[in-house]
Amino acid sequence: NAGVMQNPRHLVRRRGQEARLRCSPMKGHSHVYWYRQLPEEGLKFMVYLQKENIIDESGMPKERFSAEFPKEGPSILRIQQVVRGDSAAYFCASSLTGEGLFFGSGTQLSVL
Amino acid sequence: GDSVTQMEGPVTLSEEAFLTINCTYTATGYPSLFWYVQYPGEGLQLLLKATKADDKGSNKGFEATYRKETTSFHLEKGSVQVSDSAVYFCALSVTGGGNKLTFGTGTQLKVEL
Repeated sequence: NAGVMQNPRHLVRRRGQEARLRCSPMKGHSHVYWYRQLPEEGLKFMVYLQKENIIDESGMPKERFSAEFPKEGPSILRIQQVVRGDSAAYFCASSLTGEGLFFGSGTQLSVL
Repeated sequence: GDSVTQMEGPVTLSEEAFLTINCTYTATGYPSLFWYVQYPGEGLQLLLKATKADDKGSNKGFEATYRKETTSFHLEKGSVQVSDSAVYFCALSVTGGGNKLTFGTGTQLKVEL
C-alpha cells in the first residue's frame, strides 16, 4: 500500500531551465496539494487540485508556475525559467475526501 | 495573515527525558491546530490535532492542548525514545478540513542513548 510518491527526490537546474516535479497520490486519492518550503521557513500552501480541476491556487506565484492533475497519471508541478529563488523543498500531499493529508517525502530543487 | 511560530532546533535530549516543543500561532477566526512529524527519509505524517479551545490531542505518548488564551499548542511527551528522533512541525488551518495548512519552520529532535 504505497504512500504518496514524489520524484525526483533531488532536482538540479540551471537558471532559465524548466523544472517538472511529479507526484503520484495514494491509491484512490483524488485530492492533491502542493506545498513549498523555502530555506528557514515553514511549508507554505501553493495549490489544491482534484482530477482535471484546479480548486484553489491562491498560493501559487502568478508567473512561471503551473500545476495539473490529469485524469490519468501523476500530478505535475511545472516551473518555467527557474531562478535561484525557486530553490526549495516541494512537498505533495494527497487526500481521499479533502480532509486528512498524507505527504510525500518531497523534491529538493536546487537552481544553480 | 495567519502564522505559526515554533522553537528553533535542534533539540537534543537523552532517552527517557521530558520533551516540550513550543508552538504559538496567530490566526483570524478559530483555527484547527496540528502537529506533524517527519522521520528521516519519509513524508510528513499527522501526529495529533485539536479543533477547538481546550481540546487535547494525543497519540503515541505525545500530547498537545489547544490554549486559546495564550494562542499556543505546545507538544509534550513524558519520556522520549531514540525512535522519536525526527522533525516536528506545528500547523494550523482556518478551513474546516485541515487541508490548507500554515506550518511553522519545524523543530528537529535528536534523542540519544
